[in-house]
Amino acid sequence: GDQVEQSPSALSLHEGTGSALRCNFTTTMRAVQWFQQNSRGSLINLFYLASGTKENGRLKSTFNSKESYSTLHIRDAQLEDSGTYFCAAEKASSSFSKLVFGQGTSLSVVP
Amino acid sequence: NAGVIQTPRHKVTGKGQEATLWCEPISGHSAVFWYRQTIVQGLEFLTYFRNQAPIDDSGMPKERFSAQMPNQSHSTLKIQSTQPQDSAVYLCASTAGYEQYFGPGTRLTVL
Repeated sequence: GDQVEQSPSALSLHEGTGSALRCNFTTTMRAVQWFQQNSRGSLINLFYLASGTKENGRLKSTFNSKESYSTLHIRDAQLEDSGTYFCAAEKASSSFSKLVFGQGTSLSVVP
Repeated sequence: NAGVIQTPRHKVTGKGQEATLWCEPISGHSAVFWYRQTIVQGLEFLTYFRNQAPIDDSGMPKERFSAQMPNQSHSTLKIQSTQPQDSAVYLCASTAGYEQYFGPGTRLTVL
């Protein structure tokens, strides 16, 4: 079935450094969302993209539907950035469609 | 805006008992989605409603699981004769058409 391949599965960063997470899609996706799941288990919305690049503070995300991938860049990592990050994509062309989730990236930011 | 509300936050049932989970979507959102999160399977889609009508239940186990949306302000997910493998966090999300917003989830434990 349709799959979202997310990498890396785990990542450790020192405070102040940065890195990128990536999701590859096995089929054409209409849009992608990125979430942070915090220690309480809540999914926090980071980005929604139908195309292009968005930036919010120390986070930047890109979605390339033609090449079937999306990235999430984190710069100047802080301790509170620790958590699990998920990408999720919509396949259908309509406005309403189920999300297909990647397996997540467990990010640990250390002093 | 209180966000998506889910009750209860935690539920413990004995094997064979029934569990009913509640979701109140964000006011004005016309679609409600149910997902399930486990360590093994990750986040997976169960079912969704648009304007209270069931649209896609392709992720629902065919037996014992049912979902309803009797009015625009709440949806329920019912699991009959619960089994240990039903233990998971059940997440509800709502959307006005694009970005999905998630509730905090209900952690179901079947003993």
